[in-house]
Amino acid sequence: ETGVTQTPRHLVMGMTNKKSLKCEQHLGHNAMYWYKQSAKKPLELMFVYSLEERVENNSVPSRFSPECPNSSHLFLHLHTLQPEDSALYLCASSQVGVAMGYTFGSGTRLTVV
Amino acid sequence: AQSVTQPDIHITVSEGASLELRCNYSYGATPYLFWYVQSPGQGLQLLLKYFSGDTLVQGIKGFEAEFKRSQSSFNLRKPSVHWSDAAEYFCAVGVSGGYNKLIFGAGTRLAVHP
Repeated sequence: ETGVTQTPRHLVMGMTNKKSLKCEQHLGHNAMYWYKQSAKKPLELMFVYSLEERVENNSVPSRFSPECPNSSHLFLHLHTLQPEDSALYLCASSQVGVAMGYTFGSGTRLTVV
Repeated sequence: AQSVTQPDIHITVSEGASLELRCNYSYGATPYLFWYVQSPGQGLQLLLKYFSGDTLVQGIKGFEAEFKRSQSSFNLRKPSVHWSDAAEYFCAVGVSGGYNKLIFGAGTRLAVHP
């Protein structure tokens, strides 16, 4: 399998649930990203991992917790979310030091009820 | 500070008509520039990129873009639009150093009339 794979594609969760989003890249990249895309809002960069180290955390609420166990995998752990957290969550990867842009996954459509 | 402006939020064109989507950037150094396309419910797909050299770059799906340093622009064009081109288009500028940060514009939603 190639590219960036995100699972699940769709997720409905209650505000008291705990769930995780998974992202896996098969491109040999060493940087991974989480973006949030809400309706009628620009893309919001949430977290960046470069060489497995978190290098950016853009004032994201603590109910979102990222994890990067190795350069190929990225998780976003979710707990006690709010309805306004409903959005498309996109994962991307790139190669540090190479200005080639990002490769995106297809996203997880999250609905918080 | 680096920024990307896409002045048009929505554009509607007829199938077969030509298309130009505008992008202006603010960046002090020589920019790396990208155009991405997003179909509904999908991730972003890279259409084309500019790093250096020829200022007219060709991409996938018949798209091209022209880098104009004097105007700080990187407009996307297609001579004849197909109904399948209806999507959202994002321009981005790459900031060198560190982890290769991309700054995205707010996007332009393209509708295509038959």
